[in-house]
Amino acid sequence: DQQVKQNSPSLSVQEGRISILNCDYTNSMFDYFLWYKKYPAEGPTFLISISSIKDKNEDGRFTVFLNKSAKHLSLHIVPSQPGDSAVYFCAASRIQGAQKLVFGQGTRLTINP
Amino acid sequence: GAGVSQSPRYKVAKRGQDVALRCDPISGHVSLFWYQQALGQGPEFLTYFQNEAQLDKSGLPSDRFFAERPEGSVSTLKIQRTQQEDSAVYLCASSPQGAGWGQFFGPGTRLTVL
Repeated sequence: DQQVKQNSPSLSVQEGRISILNCDYTNSMFDYFLWYKKYPAEGPTFLISISSIKDKNEDGRFTVFLNKSAKHLSLHIVPSQPGDSAVYFCAASRIQGAQKLVFGQGTRLTINP
Repeated sequence: GAGVSQSPRYKVAKRGQDVALRCDPISGHVSLFWYQQALGQGPEFLTYFQNEAQLDKSGLPSDRFFAERPEGSVSTLKIQRTQQEDSAVYLCASSPQGAGWGQFFGPGTRLTVL
């Protein structure tokens, strides 16, 4: 049972344009959501997070949007840069109780010059 | 170093061998997590420590998997009688508090069981 889903295994975007990565979840008990970025042979690196009391969080070129009614979140990167090429993972957690992160399958983002 | 370190980075084992994977968390981090990442998938939770106490081991796939953190710092994940399905990248993460966010990941150990 995949509680966090990233339905697009890959995405290709031109440099300078907006990249939009999507994530859906099924467990309504999740109340904290995170995006991680992963380069080959490295561990995931934290990018940005959002709690369920908000619907938007922005950090520089990265913005995460949360739609609780649809159980959907998205990561917007604008403008996209070649260094953004990596695998992006969506993850979810409960603030109270369970401490583990539940990850999606990942989306490979390629930024073309 | 300032980050989470893991050793070895790569491990090849014959089926049936025991392996031990080490994690050195960021100094002072209370929480430590182990995840298993199969090829083409996201990381999956294995177990969680707060200091030396193992508070959640619900993700360990079988009793062949065992983790410890005896002094609340370094942790070891041991896999006994390895099977081919154990082949994966094993990721360790640490966090400065007992919450599920703000986890800092190590580079992982890639285990290949032949």
